[in-house]
Amino acid sequence: QKEVEQDPGPLSVPEGAIVSLNCTYSNSAFQYFMWYRQYSRKGPELLMYTYSSGNKEDGRFTAQVDKSSKYISLFIRDSQPSDSATYLCAPYSGGYQKVTFGTGTKLQVIP
Amino acid sequence: DADVTQTPRNRITKTGKRIMLECSQTKGHDRMYWYRQDPGLGLQLIYYSFDVKDINKGEISDGYSVSRQAQAKFSLSLESAIPNQTALYFCATSDQDTQYFGPGTRLTVL
Repeated sequence: QKEVEQDPGPLSVPEGAIVSLNCTYSNSAFQYFMWYRQYSRKGPELLMYTYSSGNKEDGRFTAQVDKSSKYISLFIRDSQPSDSATYLCAPYSGGYQKVTFGTGTKLQVIP
Repeated sequence: DADVTQTPRNRITKTGKRIMLECSQTKGHDRMYWYRQDPGLGLQLIYYSFDVKDINKGEISDGYSVSRQAQAKFSLSLESAIPNQTALYFCATSDQDTQYFGPGTRLTVL
């Protein structure tokens, strides 16, 4: 079993839809939870950062962490064609440990 | 100017050739990483370095070597390239948790 599991998609939605992207993980030591966004032919960039369980909102994006079920979610409201990208979850236990990346979910928002 | 630069951006080489990919960063971070990305496999860590004197193997280090020449420079070498090393390679730096990626090098081994 991989330490982080993420559905690769692709996920195709119409513009304006609510998008839900998810990851599960197995390492209980993970304390920090990040989402990276990667546009085609570019390097990943940090989109959201959450510590421990709970929700964090930033504009149209909400990151949600449920440590009891080891489940990470990213919600995108009012999705736009510019949101078309691959989204990678990246949990991390802190200190001198490595960040573990999910395989990424490719999202396409259709105008 | 970009904080993390990679050279070359694209490279086509032949089986058995030695090739070096270079990474430079201006963020002043101690930590640097090399990843490869393949469709369906996500980012796989090749090597990482937490400071100039520290080098660690990642998940898939076989066939690769690295050199940390300075805080700002981290190079990845393929001593004898093989076709299954065809991939997109990313360098990254981090302060502690947030990683900053370069634009990537697309390597094709024929």
